[in-house]
Amino acid sequence: NAGVTQTPKFQVLKTGQSMTLQCAQDMNHNSMYWYRQDPGMGLRLIYYSASEGTTDKGEVPNGYNVSRLNKREFSLRLESAAPSQTSVYFCASRAGDGTEAFFGQGTRLTVV
Amino acid sequence: GEDVEQSLFLSVREGDSSVINCTYTDSSSTYLYWYKQEPGAGLQLLTYIFSNMDMKQDQRLTVLLNKKDKHLSLRIADTQTGDSAIYFCAGIPNTGGFKTIFGAGTRLFVKA
Repeated sequence: NAGVTQTPKFQVLKTGQSMTLQCAQDMNHNSMYWYRQDPGMGLRLIYYSASEGTTDKGEVPNGYNVSRLNKREFSLRLESAAPSQTSVYFCASRAGDGTEAFFGQGTRLTVV
Repeated sequence: GEDVEQSLFLSVREGDSSVINCTYTDSSSTYLYWYKQEPGAGLQLLTYIFSNMDMKQDQRLTVLLNKKDKHLSLRIADTQTGDSAIYFCAGIPNTGGFKTIFGAGTRLFVKA
């Protein structure tokens, strides 16, 4: 099983550019998440989708939008990238309440 | 809301035991997790403990939970160089079953 797949693995953007980070899971999980990881700050939740058709803001949603395209796919969009969005982004999925979260390999994004 | 705190660094010699500590604020967390992140990779679940348990042992890993002090620890016996990684403590508060709250992560250095 592939688990959670994120694309791209690396990306460099100029300030003001837009892009979409893709995430897909093949485990039939209901919940999907986007986190960002910054040094010394652990993982901070950007947005999550508890089930297909729903999305909710996490801890740091400003500057991002998400789409739960179907049960498998959950994308994260940066409409106008800013240097403060330089980070490593992780997508995760879970089957349901309290179950283990499975993570993708991460997307390292640099905004210059 | 839930807050999870960890020390940022720990250095041990190969063969010694490592103890990584974590404190959390929401005593209603039903599940508490330890995740391991190796360089350039996503997070992988290492072990977990339910809030009604005091201790869980899994081969070289021992998790201790002190609910009164809201303290969680992970002990790695006979630490190996392959254990060098970042370890994240995480909890799922009862109020938000879809959101996993992560600590900042403890970077474990194992010296040969």
